Amino acid sequence: QKEVEQNSGPLSVPEGAIASLNCTYSDRGSQSFFWYRQYSGKSPELIMSIYSNGDKEDGRFTAQLNKASQYVSLLIRDSQPSDSATYLCAVYASGGSYIPTFGRGTSLIVHP
Amino acid sequence: GAGVSQSPSNKVTEKGKDVELRCDPISGHTALYWYRQSLGQGLEFLIYFQGNSAPDKSGLPSDRFSAERTGGSVSTLTIQRTQQEDSAVYLCASSFQGDRAQHFGDGTRLSIL
Repeated sequence: QKEVEQNSGPLSVPEGAIASLNCTYSDRGSQSFFWYRQYSGKSPELIMSIYSNGDKEDGRFTAQLNKASQYVSLLIRDSQPSDSATYLCAVYASGGSYIPTFGRGTSLIVHP
Repeated sequence: GAGVSQSPSNKVTEKGKDVELRCDPISGHTALYWYRQSLGQGLEFLIYFQGNSAPDKSGLPSDRFSAERTGGSVSTLTIQRTQQEDSAVYLCASSFQGDRAQHFGDGTRLSIL
């Protein structure tokens, strides 16, 4: 069974700090990786995707992928209280699957 | 442009009743997904449509659950003889063909009394 693991948190960081959110996955052949943000009582919204090893930057967000170690991370620079939310990792298995496996999410709290 | 639209936003019904939940995906999105999210839990995959066909309905929890999609657009998730454990937020998402980035609707909060 394909698994995607995230620390449930909460991860608490001060405003302006870097928040680091991690996700590990069991299927070594996984190809596509997505991060979603979900505010309390709201639906998930796409932050960014990553497909290749290394870093991918988009504004204050950086996704990092290490397929050898089977983890993907999301860094949020200059964290703001408005970043307080649950962050979901989604992983697509090998073989061209269109069904993602979602982690249960990490709760992030950015305090002023 | 309009996002994924779900209706109703809230539904309260008595145990044993049937309910229909509707999803109108983003125009041009051929892939459509239904998920269920219970309070404090992760996303539970229910069913995936590509066009009008459902190549993967492995997540439907029982034969009380069914879904259809017509015209490659609107989808309806039907739950028959609802049970209290069906209470959850039902989320719909859509994506372009070949694109795995999903766009979610606001969900339907279903409460079974």
